[in-house]
Amino acid sequence: GQQLNQSPQSMFIQEGEDVSMNCTSSSIFNTWLWYKQDPGEGPVLLIALYKAGELTSNGRLTAQFGITRKDSFLNISASIPSDVGIYFCAGSYAGKSTFGDGTTLTVKP
Amino acid sequence: EAGVAQSPRYKIIEKRQSVAFWCNPISGHATLYWYQQILGQGPKLLIQFQNNGVVDDSQLPKDRFSAERLKGVDSTLKIQPAKLEDSAVYLCASSLGGDLKETQYFGPGTRLLVL
Repeated sequence: GQQLNQSPQSMFIQEGEDVSMNCTSSSIFNTWLWYKQDPGEGPVLLIALYKAGELTSNGRLTAQFGITRKDSFLNISASIPSDVGIYFCAGSYAGKSTFGDGTTLTVKP
Repeated sequence: EAGVAQSPRYKIIEKRQSVAFWCNPISGHATLYWYQQILGQGPKLLIQFQNNGVVDDSQLPKDRFSAERLKGVDSTLKIQPAKLEDSAVYLCASSLGGDLKETQYFGPGTRLLVL
């Protein structure tokens, strides 16, 4: 089946710093999605990307759909303590979604 | 608007026992998904329903897992008999329709520990 490689696995940053994480795959996707999961909760959709090359922002978050359709990145600018959590990418193709294994973000005040 | 409801939130059972999880999607959402999330991994789709019909159950271990959505609203996922490797969080999600651009809303999950 399709697999996503998400990196880094974890990040420890200082409040105010910018963060970048990415997902790569050997397979192409039609849609890239970025979710955040807080402890004890289900994932919440942050950004959805539907076209190769698309760059979309949601507040301090920016994500891009790679031109090859095999990768995507998520940037968080000026991190704050509530950004702590696990960030997942997911790619969709032919109605099937595949999730990465997540990037755990820790923000030190 | 109420979110996706799941119960129980936690369950501890011994291997070879049976267990069932319940999900009530957001009102009006036609599509319902069950995911398995093993610790340290992303969610893996087990089964997708469109109303009361199964759209995709290719990754459901059908020898021990079953799911139903009889009236096209709430759904149950059953494991019988459970194995140690079934320890995971079971997430339910729903969306308005089956279109890929429909946002999936996740419930809080049921945490299963098999001893």
